[in-house]
Amino acid sequence: GENVEQHPSTLSVQEGDSAVIKCTYSDSASNYFPWYKQELGKRPQLIIDIRSNVGEKKDQRIAVTLNKTAKHFSLHITETQPEDSAVYFCAATYSGAGSYQLTFGKGTKLSVIP
Amino acid sequence: NAGVTQTPKFQVLKTGQSMTLQCAQDMNHNSMYWYRQDPGMGLRLIYYSASEGTTDKGEVPNGYNVSRLNKREFSLRLESAAPSQTSVYFCASSVWRDTEAFFGQGTRLTVV
Repeated sequence: GENVEQHPSTLSVQEGDSAVIKCTYSDSASNYFPWYKQELGKRPQLIIDIRSNVGEKKDQRIAVTLNKTAKHFSLHITETQPEDSAVYFCAATYSGAGSYQLTFGKGTKLSVIP
Repeated sequence: NAGVTQTPKFQVLKTGQSMTLQCAQDMNHNSMYWYRQDPGMGLRLIYYSASEGTTDKGEVPNGYNVSRLNKREFSLRLESAAPSQTSVYFCASSVWRDTEAFFGQGTRLTVV
């Protein structure tokens, strides 16, 4: 099955700086890579996703890059703000026929220091 | 439009007791899922239902059973609770398995 490794497990940045979270996956068939944000005591919510037919996707201050050859993808947050403080999870899955396994990384706790 | 609603929010069980976690979605989604979240372990898939009438095991199915009652409802049953099942449980749904998953508010279960 799929295995997703996520680094770092904790990350502290100054407000206004950039944050980068990296994930690697093991199954070369995986083709859908979402990122979820979970604030303390809340439910996870999708912030951005990318499919294997594109290498980069941006949404305002958030961007995700995908390197299929190296089997890794990264989340980039620019101009960080205190409200970006949360736990971020990457995930990977194959969307074709067969067993479904959206596999999550173990999470990165991001702290933005005002 | 309530999204994904799961009940209860909190539950304490004694070892060996049984219970059912209920989940309902009003977004006409085809796929539904049950995850458990433990500190430092991320979200692990217990069971999923790709569409009404089908269910399949995820990464950690032992000790659990599920029922996809209809398109809206997907329940998770613990037949004989064990302390290792102490966790936060999330139900989620999506249009298809490679689209955004919407999560319920979670159930914090403690087994003593």
